[in-house]
Amino acid sequence: NAGVTQTPKFQVLKTGQSMTLQCAQDMNHNSMYWYRQDPGMGLRLIYYSASEGTTDKGEVPNGYNVSRLNKREFSLRLESAAPSQTSVYFCAGGAGLLEQFFGPGTRLTVL
Amino acid sequence: GQQVMQIPQYQHVQEGEDFTTYCNSSTTLSNIQWYKQRPGGHPVFLIQLVKSGEVKKQKRLTFQFGEAKKNSSLHITATQTTDVGTYFCAAITNSGYALNFGKGTSLLVTP
Repeated sequence: NAGVTQTPKFQVLKTGQSMTLQCAQDMNHNSMYWYRQDPGMGLRLIYYSASEGTTDKGEVPNGYNVSRLNKREFSLRLESAAPSQTSVYFCAGGAGLLEQFFGPGTRLTVL
Repeated sequence: GQQVMQIPQYQHVQEGEDFTTYCNSSTTLSNIQWYKQRPGGHPVFLIQLVKSGEVKKQKRLTFQFGEAKKNSSLHITATQTTDVGTYFCAAITNSGYALNFGKGTSLLVTP
């Protein structure tokens, strides 16, 4: 089992470019999450999907969109990247009140 | 959501010294989770506390949940260099599906 996988591992974008971060889990989790991590800010929730077919905003959703493609896959899209979106992005899978399993992260730089 | 504050932000200890990080909330928490993130890595679940006054131990790590369920602590006895990393507490949001993470305590252990 791969657990939670994320692609790409690293990405450099220019301001205004768009891209999609991919996340997949093989742990049969109903819920999936996208976080961003910035120095001194901890992990902040961008969007989550409590179950297939549903998505909800987290603490910092502006500038992002998500798609829960199926139970396994949850993608995060930046339509027009900005330097403020330079961050490390983590996807996680979980089940409500139970532990969350994190992917290895995507390190994104927006110039 | 149920916000949690963590202190201290940083802690530098000599190997063999003890370490404690604290997690506080102004509201009663349904549960509290603790995660560890090694430098350059992703958060990894350590434990979940649910009951008022609960104390759980994992080898040199002791986790406590306050009687009022508004605070929690993680204590490491006789730190080792392998304990280096950032420790996060996290509380379930009102939705029941997402977590609010504290900003973390970064632990540095020097031999």
